[in-house]
Amino acid sequence: GNSVTQMEGPVTLSEEAFLTINCTYTATGYPSLFWYVQYPGEGLQLLLKATKADDKGSNKGFETTYRKETTSFHLEKGSVQVSDSAVYFCALTALTSNTGKLIFGQGTTLQVKP
Amino acid sequence: KAGVTQTPRYLIKTRGQQVTLSCSPISGHRSVSWYQQTPGQGLQFLFEYFSETQRNKGNFPGRFSGRQFSNSRSEMNVSTLELGDSALYLCASSLGTGDNQPQHFGDGTRLSIL
Repeated sequence: GNSVTQMEGPVTLSEEAFLTINCTYTATGYPSLFWYVQYPGEGLQLLLKATKADDKGSNKGFETTYRKETTSFHLEKGSVQVSDSAVYFCALTALTSNTGKLIFGQGTTLQVKP
Repeated sequence: KAGVTQTPRYLIKTRGQQVTLSCSPISGHRSVSWYQQTPGQGLQFLFEYFSETQRNKGNFPGRFSGRQFSNSRSEMNVSTLELGDSALYLCASSLGTGDNQPQHFGDGTRLSIL
């Protein structure tokens, strides 16, 4: 079945460092792919979305590319800030007709130190 | 535009009791999904509703049930509570059920079972 494998954390970086969180998937066809972020005590916020191969998503300095050939959609940011400290989840849709059910990775905790 | 609203934010119950959680989707959104988040199992899909019909159900026992009303508001019910039901329950809404429709999450209801 469809699945997502996400880089384990925690990831600790200094402010202004480069961030990469790896995420790969297993799915039939071309699922839609998402990155969500969860700040302490809150729900999930949609960060990025990519719906077809080679799609690039960009938001708040974060970027991802839907790479079909490597079945990956890693999350990157050129210069992290303390305010980026949170848990990041990659997810894909299940590709079952008429459903938006999301399958999530296990989450990666990012801690950015001043 | 108001986001997804979940009530209550926190709930404490004892084993054997039952509980009802409420979710009001973003205005105009007709699809509502529920997820359970725990440190051990991560984010797991519970069920999805669209136009008052359950479209998809996750792998949870029958003690977990839900419904959706004509105004798209949704409730989930858990009966005969067990200690393992302690979790953050997240509701998400989207415009429809297509697999590229991003889901928008509420802040969740944190359920603690004593």
